[in-house]
Amino acid sequence: NAGVTQTPKFQVLKTGQSMTLQCAQDMNHEYMSWYRQDPGMGLRLIHYSVGAGITDQGEVPNGYNVSRSTTEDFPLRLLSAAPSQTSVYFCASRTEGQETQYFGPGTRLLVL
Amino acid sequence: GEDVEQSLFLSVREGDSSVINCTYTDSSSTYLYWYKQEPGAGLQLLTYIFSNMDMKQDQRLTVLLNKKDKHLSLRIADTQTGDSAIYFCAESFSGSARQLTFGSGTQLTVLP
Repeated sequence: NAGVTQTPKFQVLKTGQSMTLQCAQDMNHEYMSWYRQDPGMGLRLIHYSVGAGITDQGEVPNGYNVSRSTTEDFPLRLLSAAPSQTSVYFCASRTEGQETQYFGPGTRLLVL
Repeated sequence: GEDVEQSLFLSVREGDSSVINCTYTDSSSTYLYWYKQEPGAGLQLLTYIFSNMDMKQDQRLTVLLNKKDKHLSLRIADTQTGDSAIYFCAESFSGSARQLTFGSGTQLTVLP
């Protein structure tokens, strides 16, 4: 198993540009989440999904969209990037009955 | 996360014990976790404890939970240089989604 994979590893955007951060898992996990990590603030939940076709907002959802058309993929979309979205983004997945959340390696995003 | 607090830095000598502390505010939390993040990597679950437990031991790791004081600690025995990392405590609540609220992380530095 590859586990949780994220692409790209690093991205530079200009203010107003759009992009999609990709996340995929091959463990058939029902639950997937997106977090952002900022210095001194730990990780904050952006959006999450409890299964294909079902998504919900987390603590900091503004400026981000998600969809879950398949169990494996959970892309995060920035429609109009802002400097405040400069951060490290982590995707995570978990299966029912297990406490372990598996994290991807992260995507470093810089918005100029 | 504003609901989970940790001190930012801890330095110990190799071979000593490390104790990383965490306080949380929500008494309805169901599970409490300790994650480890090495430089440039995602988060790795070290251990977790159910809220009706007081202590959990797993090899060199000991987790203590004081529900009355809402205090969680992680003790690492015989700390090694490979233990140098950022340690996050996190809490989750009942319900299938089990989304996490993280502390800001404690940077553990192990000195030779």
